[in-house]
Amino acid sequence: DGGITQSPKYLFRKEGQNVTLSCEQNLNHDAMYWYRQDPGQGLRLIYYSQIVNDFQKGDIAEGYSVSREKKESFPLTVTSAQKNPTAFYLCASSPGTEENSPLHFGNGTRLTVT
Amino acid sequence: AQKITQTQPGMFVQEKEAVTLDCTYDTSDPSYGLFWYKQPSSGEMIFLIYQGSYDQQNATEGRYSLNFQKARKSANLVISASQLGDSAMYFCAMREGYSGGGADGLTFGKGTHLIIQP
Repeated sequence: DGGITQSPKYLFRKEGQNVTLSCEQNLNHDAMYWYRQDPGQGLRLIYYSQIVNDFQKGDIAEGYSVSREKKESFPLTVTSAQKNPTAFYLCASSPGTEENSPLHFGNGTRLTVT
Repeated sequence: AQKITQTQPGMFVQEKEAVTLDCTYDTSDPSYGLFWYKQPSSGEMIFLIYQGSYDQQNATEGRYSLNFQKARKSANLVISASQLGDSAMYFCAMREGYSGGGADGLTFGKGTHLIIQP
């Protein structure tokens, strides 16, 4: 079955450590996205990529980095520079960037930093 | 300014009643799409329904319908005959067509937490 796989589901890290969240899709979608979700908040865009080897900052990119070396993969690194990294992270992809293209989401990674 | 506003942080509804979840949006783009997603406690985001800015009729998908009032910039989700399994967070989202070309994905509201009571 086609879909988006995020791993791990839960991740625990000590403050000051970088951590990388995995996102893999087999939907053959060009566009991929990373969102952050905090309690009582909607989803906020961290980074997005329309094509391999190209990506753009979203609304809250500070303290995060991404790469897009393969069409299927869009890993997100949460660096030690991110002041409040504890959150729920959602990866998504879409078949296009037209206004009628929905996002398909993975099941998310819940990151806790202590 | 917020592009998507959901004014109901939480709602309690009796099972089998109809539910209306409010959503207003703000855009100057003539071409845009409006989406509703359901997020159960497991965290997955489930796409429910889509309405295009040029669509003449309100979108429907099974028990879900979208009450689209373009002049009021309103896109309320209606769930008919609610079920216990409808308890979840619901997010309204928008994708703009011309400005940015929609490349930066969807803009989401803060969500409504719907609880269906037996």
